[in-house]
Amino acid sequence: EVQLVQSGAEVKRPGESLKISCKASGYSFTTSWIGWVRQMPGKGLEWMGIIYPGDSDTRYSPSFQGQVTISADKSISTAYLQWSSLKASDTAIYYCGRLGLGDGSRGGFDYWGQGNLVTVSS
Amino acid sequence: QSVLTQPPSASGTPGQRVTISCSGSSSNIGSNYVYWYQQLPGTAPKLLIYNNNQRPLGVPDRFSGSKSGTSASLAISGLRSEDEADYYCAAWDDSLSVLFGGGTKLTVL
Repeated sequence: EVQLVQSGAEVKRPGESLKISCKASGYSFTTSWIGWVRQMPGKGLEWMGIIYPGDSDTRYSPSFQGQVTISADKSISTAYLQWSSLKASDTAIYYCGRLGLGDGSRGGFDYWGQGNLVTVSS
Repeated sequence: QSVLTQPPSASGTPGQRVTISCSGSSSNIGSNYVYWYQQLPGTAPKLLIYNNNQRPLGVPDRFSGSKSGTSASLAISGLRSEDEADYYCAAWDDSLSVLFGGGTKLTVL
């Protein structure tokens, strides 16, 4: 059974760094793209970027390029999303998802993590 | 403001057929596949339709997708109370990113 299990909720101060994780199981981690989606409070979905763990090929949305870093450790089947300096506007739920259906790296997320609530407040 | 435009709300009564539209441009829907997601309150999204009109295993055939030119639609037939959710369309855009629509809140009256 495919599962994506995300790390728990986080409360941080502005300016702090953060790295959240998404542990995959039940499929070959290195042969599927995995990505991140942001959902700000009461708002819609935003595609942030994706990574192919097999060769670490990483693609970012222009809206998030330079704002976050996506990485993966294939030895433990885990993808990461990190910030070097959080802002209050980063407060959101962050979902990881596996790109498993459709047009490769442009395809659909067929499995999702449960979401990470990140709260940034002074 | 999303580049993929969806109506903010839609509604129907049990058993009815409802459609949700998604309007884009030649740089996204017009030249790439469309995907549809359902998000029940307080849960992660779920893929309903991929490649314009394909259903993942386990998605009921009450859900169907179509695309014409730079627009796409999601149809739900035999509406049920459990279909009450937010629905999002998505498509790759030539700006090198997937775009999501703003979402449509479906209410089952």
